[in-house]
Amino acid sequence: GQQVMQIPQYQHVQEGEDFTTYCNSSTTLSNIQWYKQRPGGHPVFLIQLVKSGEVKKQKRLTFQFGEAKKNSSLHITATQTTDVGTYFCAGLRNNNDMRFGAGTRLTVKP
Amino acid sequence: KAGVTQTPRYLIKTRGQQVTLSCSPISGHRSVSWYQQTPGQGLQFLFEYFSETQRNKGNFPGRFSGRQFSNSRSEMNVSTLELGDSALYLCASSSLAQGPYEQYFGPGTRLTVT
Repeated sequence: GQQVMQIPQYQHVQEGEDFTTYCNSSTTLSNIQWYKQRPGGHPVFLIQLVKSGEVKKQKRLTFQFGEAKKNSSLHITATQTTDVGTYFCAGLRNNNDMRFGAGTRLTVKP
Repeated sequence: KAGVTQTPRYLIKTRGQQVTLSCSPISGHRSVSWYQQTPGQGLQFLFEYFSETQRNKGNFPGRFSGRQFSNSRSEMNVSTLELGDSALYLCASSSLAQGPYEQYFGPGTRLTVT
């Protein structure tokens, strides 16, 4: 089963609305990564967070890593139809052990 | 650089058979991980190989096995196939030289067990 919990499982938004997905781990993570998988495609690396409390931005996407390094979030401002896909977090529990969240499937209504 | 390649892309097998899937990582990448993706379970980690050694293993039965060759290419084998093994099998390669575990995924092998 999943050792990194991710919510929500699905999110449907109107274009222009914001979107957030959350990941929680029961254990402290060395780092957390985020991936995006478009429908019919494979996961593509977005970003990696390493430091406690780290915040990184990529245009309309904001990624946060919690102070305890057990949770993370991805926030998209003013969604566009190109944001459609499933967003996965992946927590690295030690140097070699990575676990993916179940993913949040985002659909955007134009 | 060429990306991660997986063969075959699609496969149909019947219950009880066995199957071997292949993954060629990005040139220079020495770590290869395998994942099973199903609609209900998301991405489930199978195992990771580095320099021909299995370094990590997920919670899958012994019917799932893998290996890595000296050129970093990897294979995974599933014996005595069950209907529940129908899934997209993804492999991902990583170069530790680029920072820990930024993974590059292949297109996957879609396995259907009938």
